[in-house]
Amino acid sequence: SQQGEEDPQALSIQEGENATMNCSYKTSINNLQWYRQNSGRGLVHLILIRSNEREKHSGRLRVTLDTSKKSSSLLITASRAADTASYFCATQGGSEKLVFGKGMKLTVNP
Amino acid sequence: DAGVIQSPRHEVTEMGQEVTLRCKPISGHDYLFWYRQTMMRGLELLIYFNNNVPIDDSGMPEDRFSAKMPNASFSTLKIQPSEPRDSAVYFCASSLYSGGTNTDTQYFGPGTRLTVL
Repeated sequence: SQQGEEDPQALSIQEGENATMNCSYKTSINNLQWYRQNSGRGLVHLILIRSNEREKHSGRLRVTLDTSKKSSSLLITASRAADTASYFCATQGGSEKLVFGKGMKLTVNP
Repeated sequence: DAGVIQSPRHEVTEMGQEVTLRCKPISGHDYLFWYRQTMMRGLELLIYFNNNVPIDDSGMPEDRFSAKMPNASFSTLKIQPSEPRDSAVYFCASSLYSGGTNTDTQYFGPGTRLTVL
């Protein structure tokens, strides 16, 4: 069964706007990761946040983690057409396994 | 580094045929993962290896699926006999153990799109 659930499942915005994606999960974790998948390609790691961290930044990406609510959000600021992709959250518990959500499709219109 | 390499990129076969998917992980990585992605079920972990040893194969759907890792630079996923419901994109990923710092990330190959007619 899927651990993470992204919300919304699809988002369409204009270039320059911010995009926020949310992820909820069910069990305790060691870290939560966000990946991007362009159409017809493999997943690419974006950012990782450990369970003892609350916020992390990487370029135009900002991720937050609330372990009490078992939720995370990914914010992409000043979006570009090239950000159009599917975004997945993945949780890692006590092993090397990652459990992925079903993904969220982001469309950035030029 | 060339990244994770998978072959073939596309495979079309008929029901009942044997299918073999291949993966070369990133050199030096000690974990290898096989995933299957479909619209209905999303991304599912099938099996993963550590230092060439299978650690968890609980995601392998049934006995028709088997995976091997004869050495650190090569793994195969075999489906025999194949069925139409096996049609999916199969990804291989590799990672390097971070030594307990909880910063392990996975590097994905481009995937093999399998169509079983």
